[in-house]
Amino acid sequence: DAGVIQSPRHEVTEMGQEVTLRCKPISGHNSLFWYRQTMMRGLELLIYFNNNVPIDDSGMPEDRFSAKMPNASFSTLKIQPSEPRDSAVYFCASSLDRVGDGYTFGSGTRLTVV
Amino acid sequence: SQQGEEDPQALSIQEGENATMNCSYKTSINNLQWYRQNSGRGLVHLILIRSNEREKHSGRLRVTLDTSKKSSSLLITASRAADTASYFCATFYNNQGGKLIFGQGTELSVKP
Repeated sequence: DAGVIQSPRHEVTEMGQEVTLRCKPISGHNSLFWYRQTMMRGLELLIYFNNNVPIDDSGMPEDRFSAKMPNASFSTLKIQPSEPRDSAVYFCASSLDRVGDGYTFGSGTRLTVV
Repeated sequence: SQQGEEDPQALSIQEGENATMNCSYKTSINNLQWYRQNSGRGLVHLILIRSNEREKHSGRLRVTLDTSKKSSSLLITASRAADTASYFCATFYNNQGGKLIFGQGTELSVKP
C-alpha cells in the first residue's frame, strides 16, 4: 500500500493565483480529512468527508477555500485567490471509518504564497 | 480550535532515558490518540486509548488516560536518538460528528 498520496509536495505561487492541492486516500478508507499546520496555530482541521460527502467544513477559513471529493479515490483542496497568510503545510489524512480509529496522513504539501 | 494542551512544549533528554509527555483536554472524549511527526514529514499514528481504558502499551510506549482529570500521558522508555520528533495528542469527539482535534505538540530531542 502506497499510503495517502498528496501532490504537489511543494508549491510556490504568487498572491492572487489559484492553488489546487490533491490527495489520494488509502484504498478502502471511507473518511478523508484536510488539515493545515502552521507554527502559530498548530494543526487545524479544515474539512472532512465520509463516503465522499462533506460532513463538517466549519474549519474552512473563508470562502476562498473549497474542497471536493468526486470519488472515493480523489480529493482536492482549492484556494482562490491565494494570500500570503495561506502559507502553511496542508495535510490530507484518511481512515477506515469516522468513529475515531487512527488516521493515516500523507506527507503534506508545503504551500508558500508570495 | 485546539483542544489538547501538551506539556512540556519541548523536552531534551539523553539516549536511554525515559521521556514523559502530558496532554490535557477540556471536554468528554471517545478516545485519545498519540501521533509522532518527524521534521518535514506527515504524522504517524502511534497508539489509541479509548475512554473506558486506563492504560495501554505498545512496545516502548505506555499511554495512560485519566478521564476524571481529563489528562493523558505518553511514556517512551529507553529512548533512542531516532525517537527525536514532535509528539501530538489528539482527542476524538463522536458527538460532534467525528472530529480528531490535535494539541500543539511536544518537541522531543534525544541526544546520543
